[in-house]
Amino acid sequence: DTGVSQDPRHKITKRGQNVTFRCDPISEHNRLYWYRQTLGQGPEFLTYFQNEAQLEKSRLLSDRFSAERPKGSFSTLEIQRTEQGDSAMYLCASTPLAGNTYNEQFFGPGTRLTVL
Amino acid sequence: QKEVEQDPGPLSVPEGAIVSLNCTYSNSAFQYFMWYRQYSRKGPELLMYTYSSGNKEDGRFTAQVDKSSKYISLFIRDSQPSDSATYLCATIKAAGNKLTFGGGTRVLVKP
Repeated sequence: DTGVSQDPRHKITKRGQNVTFRCDPISEHNRLYWYRQTLGQGPEFLTYFQNEAQLEKSRLLSDRFSAERPKGSFSTLEIQRTEQGDSAMYLCASTPLAGNTYNEQFFGPGTRLTVL
Repeated sequence: QKEVEQDPGPLSVPEGAIVSLNCTYSNSAFQYFMWYRQYSRKGPELLMYTYSSGNKEDGRFTAQVDKSSKYISLFIRDSQPSDSATYLCATIKAAGNKLTFGGGTRVLVKP
Protein backbone atom coordinates (compact mmCIF):
# COMPACT_ATOMS: atom_id res chain seq x y z
CA ASP A 1 0.00 0.00 0.00
CA THR A 2 1.59 3.27 -1.13
CA GLY A 3 -1.00 5.64 0.32
CA VAL A 4 -0.71 7.95 3.31
CA SER A 5 -0.59 6.00 6.55
CA GLN A 6 -1.33 7.18 10.08
CA ASP A 7 -0.69 5.61 13.42
CA PRO A 8 -2.43 4.94 15.71
CA ARG A 9 -5.87 4.76 14.15
CA HIS A 10 -7.58 5.35 17.47
CA LYS A 11 -6.25 6.80 20.71
CA ILE A 12 -8.12 7.06 23.99
CA THR A 13 -6.50 9.14 26.69
CA LYS A 14 -7.35 10.88 29.91
CA ARG A 15 -7.50 14.64 30.18
CA GLY A 16 -4.10 16.11 30.94
CA GLN A 17 -2.09 13.37 29.24
CA ASN A 18 0.21 13.93 26.27
CA VAL A 19 -0.37 12.13 22.98
CA THR A 20 1.65 11.83 19.78
CA PHE A 21 0.45 10.82 16.34
CA ARG A 22 2.50 9.78 13.35
CA CYS A 23 1.93 10.31 9.64
CA ASP A 24 3.84 8.66 6.81
CA PRO A 25 3.17 10.49 3.53
CA ILE A 26 3.31 9.08 0.05
CA SER A 27 6.92 8.59 -0.93
CA GLU A 28 8.54 11.67 -2.48
CA HIS A 29 5.64 13.95 -1.64
CA ASN A 30 7.23 17.19 -0.53
CA ARG A 31 4.26 18.72 1.21
CA LEU A 32 2.54 17.31 4.26
CA TYR A 33 -0.57 18.71 5.90
CA TRP A 34 -2.39 18.20 9.18
CA TYR A 35 -6.12 18.81 9.49
CA ARG A 36 -8.53 18.34 12.35
CA GLN A 37 -12.10 17.15 11.87
CA THR A 38 -14.69 17.26 14.65
CA LEU A 39 -17.90 15.28 14.52
CA GLY A 40 -20.29 16.55 11.87
CA GLN A 41 -17.84 19.12 10.54
CA GLY A 42 -15.44 19.34 7.63
CA PRO A 43 -11.68 19.12 8.13
CA GLU A 44 -9.94 22.29 9.30
CA PHE A 45 -6.35 23.12 8.41
CA LEU A 46 -3.83 22.99 11.23
CA THR A 47 -0.36 23.22 9.68
CA TYR A 48 1.77 22.17 6.72
CA PHE A 49 5.35 21.31 5.91
CA GLN A 50 7.37 21.63 2.77
CA ASN A 51 10.08 19.04 3.25
CA GLU A 52 11.25 19.60 6.85
CA ALA A 53 10.20 23.25 7.08
CA GLN A 54 6.94 24.11 8.82
CA LEU A 55 5.63 26.95 6.65
CA GLU A 56 2.22 27.77 8.07
CA LYS A 57 0.30 27.23 11.29
CA SER A 58 -3.39 27.87 11.88
CA ARG A 59 -4.70 29.85 14.82
CA LEU A 60 -6.30 26.55 15.81
CA LEU A 61 -2.85 25.24 16.69
CA SER A 62 -2.51 26.36 20.29
CA ASP A 63 0.71 26.27 22.28
CA ARG A 64 -0.16 22.77 23.43
CA PHE A 65 0.19 21.49 19.87
CA SER A 66 3.50 20.88 18.15
CA ALA A 67 4.28 19.27 14.82
CA GLU A 68 7.56 18.12 13.38
CA ARG A 69 8.88 16.61 10.19
CA PRO A 70 12.54 16.15 11.10
CA LYS A 71 13.88 14.54 7.95
CA GLY A 72 11.29 15.65 5.48
CA SER A 73 9.65 12.25 5.48
CA PHE A 74 7.27 11.22 8.28
CA SER A 75 5.67 13.78 10.59
CA THR A 76 4.51 13.73 14.18
CA LEU A 77 1.81 15.79 15.85
CA GLU A 78 1.98 16.06 19.64
CA ILE A 79 -0.72 17.40 21.91
CA GLN A 80 0.33 18.21 25.44
CA ARG A 81 -2.05 18.36 28.41
CA THR A 82 -5.00 17.12 26.37
CA GLU A 83 -8.44 18.62 26.90
CA GLN A 84 -11.82 17.15 26.09
CA GLY A 85 -12.15 19.71 23.30
CA ASP A 86 -9.19 18.06 21.56
CA SER A 87 -11.35 15.02 20.82
CA ALA A 88 -11.47 14.84 17.03
CA MET A 89 -10.17 13.01 13.96
CA TYR A 90 -6.68 14.16 13.05
CA LEU A 91 -6.07 13.81 9.33
CA CYS A 92 -2.79 13.89 7.48
CA ALA A 93 -2.47 14.60 3.76
CA SER A 94 0.42 14.81 1.34
CA THR A 95 0.98 16.23 -2.12
CA PRO A 96 3.86 16.79 -4.50
CA LEU A 97 5.36 20.26 -4.56
CA ALA A 98 2.75 22.60 -6.01
CA GLY A 99 3.48 25.16 -8.68
CA ASN A 100 0.71 27.31 -10.03
CA THR A 101 -1.53 24.34 -10.66
CA TYR A 102 -3.59 22.34 -8.25
CA ASN A 103 -2.04 19.20 -6.87
CA GLU A 104 -4.34 16.73 -5.20
CA GLN A 105 -3.93 16.27 -1.48
CA PHE A 106 -4.08 12.60 -0.64
CA PHE A 107 -5.53 11.93 2.79
CA GLY A 108 -4.68 9.21 5.25
CA PRO A 109 -7.29 7.28 7.24
CA GLY A 110 -6.93 9.59 10.23
CA THR A 111 -6.27 9.14 13.93
CA ARG A 112 -9.37 9.38 16.07
CA LEU A 113 -8.59 10.92 19.46
CA THR A 114 -10.94 10.53 22.40
CA VAL A 115 -10.12 12.49 25.53
CA LEU A 116 -11.97 11.29 28.61
CA GLN B 1 -19.35 33.15 9.18
CA LYS B 2 -17.51 30.24 7.57
CA GLU B 3 -15.80 30.74 4.23
CA VAL B 4 -17.52 27.69 2.77
CA GLU B 5 -21.09 26.81 3.72
CA GLN B 6 -22.73 23.46 3.08
CA ASP B 7 -26.09 22.05 4.14
CA PRO B 8 -25.38 19.21 6.59
CA GLY B 9 -28.36 17.11 5.54
CA PRO B 10 -28.94 14.24 5.90
CA LEU B 11 -30.18 13.80 2.36
CA SER B 12 -32.07 10.58 1.79
CA VAL B 13 -32.90 9.42 -1.74
CA PRO B 14 -34.10 6.18 -3.33
CA GLU B 15 -31.69 4.15 -5.42
CA GLY B 16 -31.50 5.46 -8.98
CA ALA B 17 -32.43 9.03 -8.10
CA ILE B 18 -30.31 12.08 -8.84
CA VAL B 19 -28.47 13.46 -5.83
CA SER B 20 -27.96 17.22 -5.86
CA LEU B 21 -25.42 18.78 -3.49
CA ASN B 22 -24.28 22.36 -3.23
CA CYS B 23 -22.04 24.79 -1.39
CA THR B 24 -21.55 28.52 -1.29
CA TYR B 25 -18.31 30.31 -0.61
CA SER B 26 -17.35 33.86 0.22
CA ASN B 27 -13.71 34.36 -0.82
CA SER B 28 -13.23 35.45 -4.43
CA ALA B 29 -9.60 34.28 -4.30
CA PHE B 30 -10.64 30.64 -4.39
CA GLN B 31 -9.78 29.21 -7.81
CA TYR B 32 -10.01 25.43 -7.48
CA PHE B 33 -13.11 23.66 -6.28
CA MET B 34 -13.18 20.06 -5.15
CA TRP B 35 -15.63 17.44 -4.04
CA TYR B 36 -14.48 14.79 -1.61
CA ARG B 37 -16.32 11.67 -0.49
CA GLN B 38 -15.82 10.42 3.04
CA TYR B 39 -17.07 7.11 4.34
CA SER B 40 -17.60 6.67 8.05
CA ARG B 41 -14.33 6.65 10.02
CA LYS B 42 -12.25 7.02 6.85
CA GLY B 43 -10.23 9.83 5.34
CA PRO B 44 -11.68 11.98 2.54
CA GLU B 45 -11.05 10.86 -1.04
CA LEU B 46 -11.12 13.19 -4.00
CA LEU B 47 -13.98 12.67 -6.44
CA MET B 48 -13.25 15.50 -8.84
CA TYR B 49 -12.04 19.04 -9.04
CA THR B 50 -12.80 22.03 -11.24
CA TYR B 51 -10.74 25.07 -12.03
CA SER B 52 -12.65 28.36 -12.08
CA SER B 53 -16.18 28.40 -13.48
CA GLY B 54 -17.66 25.67 -15.61
CA ASN B 55 -18.84 22.09 -15.65
CA LYS B 56 -16.95 18.84 -15.39
CA GLU B 57 -18.32 15.37 -15.86
CA ASP B 58 -16.85 12.07 -14.74
CA GLY B 59 -19.06 9.05 -15.17
CA ARG B 60 -22.13 9.48 -12.98
CA PHE B 61 -20.73 12.62 -11.36
CA THR B 62 -21.04 16.21 -12.61
CA ALA B 63 -19.49 19.19 -10.87
CA GLN B 64 -20.51 22.76 -11.59
CA VAL B 65 -18.97 26.03 -10.46
CA ASP B 66 -20.51 29.45 -10.87
CA LYS B 67 -17.96 32.00 -9.67
CA SER B 68 -20.31 34.93 -10.29
CA SER B 69 -22.64 33.63 -7.60
CA LYS B 70 -19.96 31.75 -5.62
CA TYR B 71 -21.93 28.54 -5.92
CA ILE B 72 -20.60 24.99 -6.23
CA SER B 73 -22.71 21.96 -7.15
CA LEU B 74 -22.29 18.21 -7.45
CA PHE B 75 -24.80 15.95 -9.14
CA ILE B 76 -24.79 12.17 -8.83
CA ARG B 77 -26.86 10.35 -11.45
CA ASP B 78 -28.29 6.88 -11.03
CA SER B 79 -27.37 6.88 -7.35
CA GLN B 80 -26.36 3.60 -5.74
CA PRO B 81 -26.40 2.46 -2.10
CA SER B 82 -22.59 2.50 -2.28
CA ASP B 83 -22.82 6.28 -2.80
CA SER B 84 -24.03 6.62 0.79
CA ALA B 85 -21.37 8.75 2.44
CA THR B 86 -20.59 12.29 3.52
CA TYR B 87 -19.75 14.62 0.65
CA LEU B 88 -17.42 17.51 1.35
CA CYS B 89 -16.89 20.49 -0.90
CA ALA B 90 -13.52 22.20 -0.65
CA THR B 91 -11.75 25.13 -2.22
CA ILE B 92 -8.20 26.38 -2.54
CA LYS B 93 -6.55 29.52 -3.86
CA ALA B 94 -4.33 29.41 -6.94
CA ALA B 95 -0.91 28.14 -5.78
CA GLY B 96 -2.54 27.86 -2.37
CA ASN B 97 -1.51 25.55 0.39
CA LYS B 98 -4.53 24.72 2.44
CA LEU B 99 -7.93 23.36 1.62
CA THR B 100 -10.98 25.10 3.04
CA PHE B 101 -13.81 22.65 3.50
CA GLY B 102 -17.53 22.93 3.89
CA GLY B 103 -19.13 21.09 6.78
CA GLY B 104 -20.17 18.12 4.65
CA THR B 105 -23.54 16.72 3.57
CA ARG B 106 -24.48 13.23 4.65
CA VAL B 107 -26.15 11.28 1.85
CA LEU B 108 -28.11 8.07 2.25
CA VAL B 109 -29.19 6.13 -0.84
CA LYS B 110 -31.86 3.59 0.04
CA PRO B 111 -32.18 0.36 -1.97
